[in-house]
Amino acid sequence: QLQLQVSGPGLVKPSETLSLTCTVSGGSISATSYSWGWIRQPPGKGLEWIGTIYYDGTTYYSPSLRSRVTIFVDTSKNQFSLTLSSVTAADTAVYYCARHLGYCSGGGCFGDYAMDVWAQGTTVTVSS
Amino acid sequence: EVVMTQSPATLSVSPGERVTLSCRASKSLKNNLAWYQQKPGQAPRLLIYGASNRATGIPARFSGSYSGTHFTLTISSLQSEDFAVYYCQEYNEWPLTFGGGTKVEVK
Repeated sequence: QLQLQVSGPGLVKPSETLSLTCTVSGGSISATSYSWGWIRQPPGKGLEWIGTIYYDGTTYYSPSLRSRVTIFVDTSKNQFSLTLSSVTAADTAVYYCARHLGYCSGGGCFGDYAMDVWAQGTTVTVSS
Repeated sequence: EVVMTQSPATLSVSPGERVTLSCRASKSLKNNLAWYQQKPGQAPRLLIYGASNRATGIPARFSGSYSGTHFTLTISSLQSEDFAVYYCQEYNEWPLTFGGGTKVEVK
């Protein structure tokens, strides 16, 4: 049974870089039919997609975060990671990682980009 | 970017009632839409993908449909465990976007 777990600091200072890792267990991050995403949810608010990566390194980012976000994959560790630079209080949120039912490769996209497996999520607070 | 608009923001219902949630897209999505359920303190749970396909393990009382840019999630007979917030999400184009959510609460 596939499981995802987010790890990383729960407190980040303003202007610093937030770094989180999602560890995949019970399956391979290199499985060709899936890609992997990051989503966040500010306190009391809705869901916001941050970005998505395929095991070959193909990435898609939210335009509103693109200048500050990097997502990368480490297939040897079955992990993918998120960094968000120059954080402010507006970046305070629960951060989730999830598996997408689709993928994009070779100029085409296949399957569905719905997210069927989610990590429990971790709260990140930006505060001095 | 596709704007997803969910209505109503809150729906007060009694157990056993039929519930219909609405999600409208600002442009055509074909059938590239998912529905999620989220309970307090929990991660979202995929209910429907491809506008009308139930995800694994989702009860048959949940169904999805669409006409043009209007998508609907129907719960045929609301159970106590269905009180939650429901989100739609489009995946027809990048960036992926979510609706603002509909909270289904006890009447």
